[in-house]
Amino acid sequence: GQQVMQIPQYQHVQEGEDFTTYCNSSTTLSNIQWYKQRPGGHPVFLIQLVKSGEVKKQKRLTFQFGEAKKNSSLHITATQTTDVGTYFCAGFNAGGTSYGKLTFGQGTILTVHP
Amino acid sequence: DGGITQSPKYLFRKEGQNVTLSCEQNLNHDAMYWYRQDPGQGLRLIYYSQIVNDFQKGDIAEGYSVSREKKESFPLTVTSAQKNPTAFYLCASSYRTYGYTFGSGTRLTVV
Repeated sequence: GQQVMQIPQYQHVQEGEDFTTYCNSSTTLSNIQWYKQRPGGHPVFLIQLVKSGEVKKQKRLTFQFGEAKKNSSLHITATQTTDVGTYFCAGFNAGGTSYGKLTFGQGTILTVHP
Repeated sequence: DGGITQSPKYLFRKEGQNVTLSCEQNLNHDAMYWYRQDPGQGLRLIYYSQIVNDFQKGDIAEGYSVSREKKESFPLTVTSAQKNPTAFYLCASSYRTYGYTFGSGTRLTVV
């Protein structure tokens, strides 16, 4: 079955440093989504990427979708303590129908030291 | 205010007991999902439903059951056959392949 691998599992940074998490799928994806889960909270949808090579920005966050639609990355510039949490990527299989189920990566736990 | 409501927030289960977790949404989403999250781990799919009166097993369905009698509701029963039920349970809904909306979760503990 489809697998989505995410690295690193943990990342500790000093406030102000940059952070990147990477996501790789075993199959071609129709789209990829990113979620953030604050400690003790629930995942919150951040963004969806659909097109090959797509790049989207949300303030200090930059999201990329690979040309082959099998990998993605999330980059945070100049981290802040409010960025703390677990970042998940999740992909829909390209062979699916209009509905389907996401396959989540294991997540990257980000700790930001003030 | 649209969203997903999960209840209860905390639940304690005795050995051999069945418990039911509630999930209600008012987003008019067709698809609903149940995930299990263990400490420091990702999300594992238990069951999902794309339409009323139909649902499919996810990756870890053993020991769980669901029903989808109404579009708004997708309750999950954790049966006594689930040998390690202590976890954080998350319900979600979506419109087609768009982003999921998650509920605030239920923390289940076996006592």
